[in-house]
Amino acid sequence: AQSVTQLGSHVSVSEGALVLLRCNYSSSVPPYLFWYVQYPNQGLQLLLKYTSAATLVKGINGFEAEFKKSETSFHLTKPSAHMSDAAEYFCAVSAMNTGFQKLVFGTGTRLLVSP
Amino acid sequence: ETGVTQSPTHLIKTRGQQVTLRCSSQSGHNTVSWYQQALGQGPQFIFQYYREEENGRGNFPPRFSGLQFPNYSSELNVNALELDDSALYLCASSLGASGRSSYNEQFFGPGTRLTVL
Repeated sequence: AQSVTQLGSHVSVSEGALVLLRCNYSSSVPPYLFWYVQYPNQGLQLLLKYTSAATLVKGINGFEAEFKKSETSFHLTKPSAHMSDAAEYFCAVSAMNTGFQKLVFGTGTRLLVSP
Repeated sequence: ETGVTQSPTHLIKTRGQQVTLRCSSQSGHNTVSWYQQALGQGPQFIFQYYREEENGRGNFPPRFSGLQFPNYSSELNVNALELDDSALYLCASSLGASGRSSYNEQFFGPGTRLTVL
């Protein structure tokens, strides 16, 4: 069984400040890990993914995440927040090396960016 | 390259009715997954279709059913609607469901928002 826990349903930062969104996973098999962003009334857009290559993963819009197996974490960071980053962010896990892939999502973290 | 499209955008139904949601997969993709996203929650996996066969199912009752057509488009059908079925329904397409050595990225559509009164 797989699951993800996102710590903090809301995170508030000022424009230009560091963004840190936390995600811890649980998986009985090697995981694939993902961060998705969802803007109001829209679907999900993939920000970045970990698929067992480099542990530090760079994504779109300046976001990156580091896979830490010892901590079962995959936290999302961005050095400097922009107003346009305000959205809902979802961490997700999928099982690696299985014949069937589905995404298991966390409950999401809403990022608020103030001027 | 055309992305994933879903129809309708919004839908209002009453309890006990039946609804059909539609999804056109991205060009070249043969796998469609459906997710339910309740308000304030993360998406939950409903089921997946691969080459017109159900390939896996989440913890949803049988009144949630689906189809995949030869052109790989898909339908989600929900019978005997309940108030708790109100949600955003997301469709995602990918190339191949069986990825033993690689991940097949899922591309999401904009969703259909279903309201059950």
